[in-house]
Amino acid sequence: AQSVAQPEDQVNVAEGNPLTVKCTYSVSGNPYLFWYVQYPNRGLQFLLKYITGDNLVKGSYGFEAEFNKSQTSFHLKKPSALVSDSALYFCAVRDMRNNAGNMLTFGGGTRLMVKP
Amino acid sequence: EPEVTQTPSHQVTQMGQEVILRCVPISNHLYFYWYRQILGQKVEFLVSFYNNEISEKSEIFDDQFSVERPDGSNFTLKIRSTKLEDSAMYFCASRPDWADTQYFGPGTRLTVL
Repeated sequence: AQSVAQPEDQVNVAEGNPLTVKCTYSVSGNPYLFWYVQYPNRGLQFLLKYITGDNLVKGSYGFEAEFNKSQTSFHLKKPSALVSDSALYFCAVRDMRNNAGNMLTFGGGTRLMVKP
Repeated sequence: EPEVTQTPSHQVTQMGQEVILRCVPISNHLYFYWYRQILGQKVEFLVSFYNNEISEKSEIFDDQFSVERPDGSNFTLKIRSTKLEDSAMYFCASRPDWADTQYFGPGTRLTVL
């Protein structure tokens, strides 16, 4: 079974400061990891993914995430937050060994609030 | 940039009624998915569909649910007899066979009264 935990329901950060949104995962095999963002009344927008290769992956809107196998984590980061980054962020995992339908398992989401 | 589209954006129905939620995946994608998100809860996988058949489904996807690709563009989710607990946001997603990223539609909010 695969699972994802996002330990923080909400993260508050001042505009211009760095932000981190935490994610830890559990899979039987090697993970495919994803971050999605959800703005109000909108669907899930893909931000970035880790499949293989460099542990630091860069994605849309200046976001990046670091894969840490020993800590089973995939934290989302951005060096300088913008007010427009305020949204709901979801981490998701897929077990590489699951080739049937490639279902994603999502974390509970973290609301990011960036204050001016 | 191509997007997954879903209709309607909001559906209100009476308990026991049948509903059909519609999705148009991105045109060259071959894998299709339905997920749901009950208010305040996690996004949950329902079903995946490939080559005109279900490839995986969750425990949520019981006999009341069915999926269909009736033509070359639409992908539908049918709930035969809706229950109050079916009230949720339903997301459709698709991906090509050469990439792992699933692209999501804007969702249909289903309200069962």
